[in-house]
Amino acid sequence: EVQLVESGGGLVQPGGSLVLSCAASGFTVNSNYMSWVRQAPGKGLQWVSIIYSGGYTDYADSVKGRFTISRHNSKNTLYLHMDDLRPEDTAVYYCARNLGSNTYSGLDYWGKGSLVTVSS
Amino acid sequence: DIQMTQSPSFVSASVGDRVTITCRASQGIRSWLAWYQQKPGNAPKLLIYAASSLQSGVPSRFSGSGSGTDFTLTISNLQPEDFATYYCQQANSFPHTFGGGTRVELK
Repeated sequence: EVQLVESGGGLVQPGGSLVLSCAASGFTVNSNYMSWVRQAPGKGLQWVSIIYSGGYTDYADSVKGRFTISRHNSKNTLYLHMDDLRPEDTAVYYCARNLGSNTYSGLDYWGKGSLVTVSS
Repeated sequence: DIQMTQSPSFVSASVGDRVTITCRASQGIRSWLAWYQQKPGNAPKLLIYAASSLQSGVPSRFSGSGSGTDFTLTISNLQPEDFATYYCQQANSFPHTFGGGTRVELK
């Protein structure tokens, strides 16, 4: 059974850093395209980042230069390193698998999400 | 960035109704559009990918159509478990933008 479990969220001050983890089971992270999507409280969904099976990465402009997506193959875990956090980064962060190991078909499995709150 | 405009933002419907939600892209995205359902407190669930392909395990009362810039999600014979918020997402080019959402509520 495919499962994604996020962890690492919490309260952080503006300018601070946080690392989100997404532990996968039932499939291999490094053989798939994996994404992060966030949702601010009471708001819609926002795509954040993607990592291809080959290692290519891309980011939303709003997080480029501050966030880094990565993976640990032996731990079968996806990460999102977040630096210079801003109040507008406050959201539930979801990790998700791209269907069909491509970028065109949407996200077929999602974790339950991890809440990041940026506030002083 | 490609802007995705969903309409309506809210629909009030009854069990058994047919509901249609539209999504318009600010530029052509071929058929690279996905639809998701999200219930409060839960992660989104993929319903439709590539504009009209039904994701495994999703009931056949959900269907999608369209290409280019105009897309629709149709829910025929609305069931109690279908009351939720629906989002479209373009997957043609980065960033993979989402529509603003359509909340389907019980009339």
